[in-house]
Amino acid sequence: EVQLVESGGGLVQPGRSLRLSCAASGFTFDEHAMHWVRQAPGKGLEWVSGITWNSGSINYADSVKGRFTISRDNAKNSLYLRMNSLRAEDTALYYCAKASNGDFFDYWGQGTLVTVSS
Amino acid sequence: DIQMTQSPSSLSASVGDRVTITCRASQGISNYLAWYQQKPGKVPKLLIHAASTLQSGVPSRFSGSGSGTDFTLTISSLQPEDVATYYCQKYNSAPFTFGPGTKVDIK
Repeated sequence: EVQLVESGGGLVQPGRSLRLSCAASGFTFDEHAMHWVRQAPGKGLEWVSGITWNSGSINYADSVKGRFTISRDNAKNSLYLRMNSLRAEDTALYYCAKASNGDFFDYWGQGTLVTVSS
Repeated sequence: DIQMTQSPSSLSASVGDRVTITCRASQGISNYLAWYQQKPGKVPKLLIHAASTLQSGVPSRFSGSGSGTDFTLTISSLQPEDVATYYCQKYNSAPFTFGPGTKVDIK
């Protein structure tokens, strides 16, 4: 059974940093691209960032480019999102998502909530 | 960047009705289009990929069509458990943008 478990969310002040993690199991992690998708309270889905199986290609939404860094450790079956210079508008539930045979997402974690507020 | 739009933003229909949701890309994306269902308080669920390929386990009342810039998601006979927000997503290239969503409820 595929499982994606996010952690690392919490309340953080504007301008500070946070690192999210996603622990994956139940599939061959190093054969799939992985992504972060977020959802602000009461709002729609926003793709944040994606990384290929070997970290050879990395992409970001314009809204986070230069502030967020995605990475993965295939030996640990883990995905990460380092978030710097956080803003109030980054407040959201952050989902880890597994890409299928294309950058669409067949499995999602339960999400970890990030709240940016003073 | 390619923009994704959906219409309507919300709809209310009766059980058994045929429901159609439209997704439009600002530029052609071939068939690199996925549809997701998100029930209230739940995680998004993949329904369709490659514009018309039903994900395993998804009821056959769901179908998708389209190519290029115009796509549709159809529920052939709306059921109470279909109350949800539906999102399209382009995945031909980054950014892998979602549409704004269409909220479906029961009349």
